[in-house]
Amino acid sequence: KAGVTQTPRYLIKTRGQQVTLSCSPISGHRSVSWYQQTPGQGLQFLFEYFSETQRNKGNFPGRFSGRQFSNSRSEMNVSTLELGDSALYLCASSLDGRGPGELFFGEGSRLTVL
Amino acid sequence: DQQVKQNSPSLSVQEGRISILNCDYTNSMFDYFLWYKKYPAEGPTFLISISSIKDKNEDGRFTVFLNKSAKHLSLHIVPSQPGDSAVYFCAASQGGYQKVTFGTGTKLQVIP
Repeated sequence: KAGVTQTPRYLIKTRGQQVTLSCSPISGHRSVSWYQQTPGQGLQFLFEYFSETQRNKGNFPGRFSGRQFSNSRSEMNVSTLELGDSALYLCASSLDGRGPGELFFGEGSRLTVL
Repeated sequence: DQQVKQNSPSLSVQEGRISILNCDYTNSMFDYFLWYKKYPAEGPTFLISISSIKDKNEDGRFTVFLNKSAKHLSLHIVPSQPGDSAVYFCAASQGGYQKVTFGTGTKLQVIP
């Protein structure tokens, strides 16, 4: 069974640009969550999607957005990049995002903003 | 506001000894607590969890203890092995897994 796949794995952007990251969940998983990991801050929740609907959102500015497609694949977009957006962006999937169970994470997309 | 806190950024333990990783939380509404392990260049992987109605859960070498009155949980690894060297994240959720709150992580080094 293939795991969670994130693309691209690494990317470098400059301030002001925008970026789109992609996540393919485990087959059959319908919930996809996104997290930002920075040194000293741990993993911070961005948003969660289920059946193409955003069910939950973290405390990030509107420059951070996402969507989910009918095949459960998800994308997140960051517009007007700032230096502080440099981080590892992790995608996680679960069957339905409810009840006890664990999140399955991808390897992440490491974004560097220059 | 850091609702899940791991105050020890790092921990070194000799192989074969016990590793104890600690975590504190502030939100009394959390109903599920989890530990994740992360190796460099990999995503976090689920390790063990505990419901708020229990005070202990054991899975092989890993045991999680929950003290609700102190809002504290700990992960015990016995015996510790070099392959356990990783960053361990404490996490908590409320009402399901839609939004999981993570701590900042503790880097465990098990010395052979």
